[in-house]
Amino acid sequence: GAVVSQHPSRVICKSGTSVKIECRSLDFQATTMFWYRQFPKQSLMLMATSNEGSKATYEQGVEKDKFLINHASLTLSTLTVTSAHPEDSSFYICSTEGVPPRDTQYFGPGTRLTVL
Amino acid sequence: GNSVTQMEGPVTLSEEAFLTINCTYTATGYPSLFWYVQYPGEGLQLLLKATKADDKGSNKGFEATYRKETTSFHLEKGSVQVSDSAVYFCALSEASGGGTSYGKLTFGQGTILTVHP
Repeated sequence: GAVVSQHPSRVICKSGTSVKIECRSLDFQATTMFWYRQFPKQSLMLMATSNEGSKATYEQGVEKDKFLINHASLTLSTLTVTSAHPEDSSFYICSTEGVPPRDTQYFGPGTRLTVL
Repeated sequence: GNSVTQMEGPVTLSEEAFLTINCTYTATGYPSLFWYVQYPGEGLQLLLKATKADDKGSNKGFEATYRKETTSFHLEKGSVQVSDSAVYFCALSEASGGGTSYGKLTFGQGTILTVHP
């Protein structure tokens, strides 16, 4: 399967600052990437679908101005949490769509964000 | 909309015990069904999948059968090992039209499995 990396694995920031999380597809070109949020002891919630060279598609209830997604190349998508607040503290996970089969996703190890 | 419901955990078993984790789903069309596993400190990995009714997915001794009549995809293993301790997620994906992603996944809440020696 594909290898997906995320950086950083863990980040602590002050309230009001912005944090950028990188998601890289290491061994294949990913046209589509996904960003999820996982709360403790809860499921993964899809935040947005990131398409290379076009605007991301956000799920209902996700603030696009707060969670900025950029997918400028076929191997890199970034999620920027702007003006972070403690309620944004969570585990953020990215994945890529398999090529093929497209219905299988390959996940990064996740980024633990803590906002103080 | 689509939804996935898993049996609540945590599940604690002794080594070599039989495992069942129930999963049921609601979908408007004909989804593909998946089990993903998340080992401690690692990202989610695909464990097995089935793409149509009556298909059986299997991997590493785990099995799950796509049951359309009961909208279920229960995960089973005949003899668990300590190394199977992880969080297991049931999920579905349904192809969407209009050029959006083929593989948008809807996850269940996850079931924590702990296997003791």
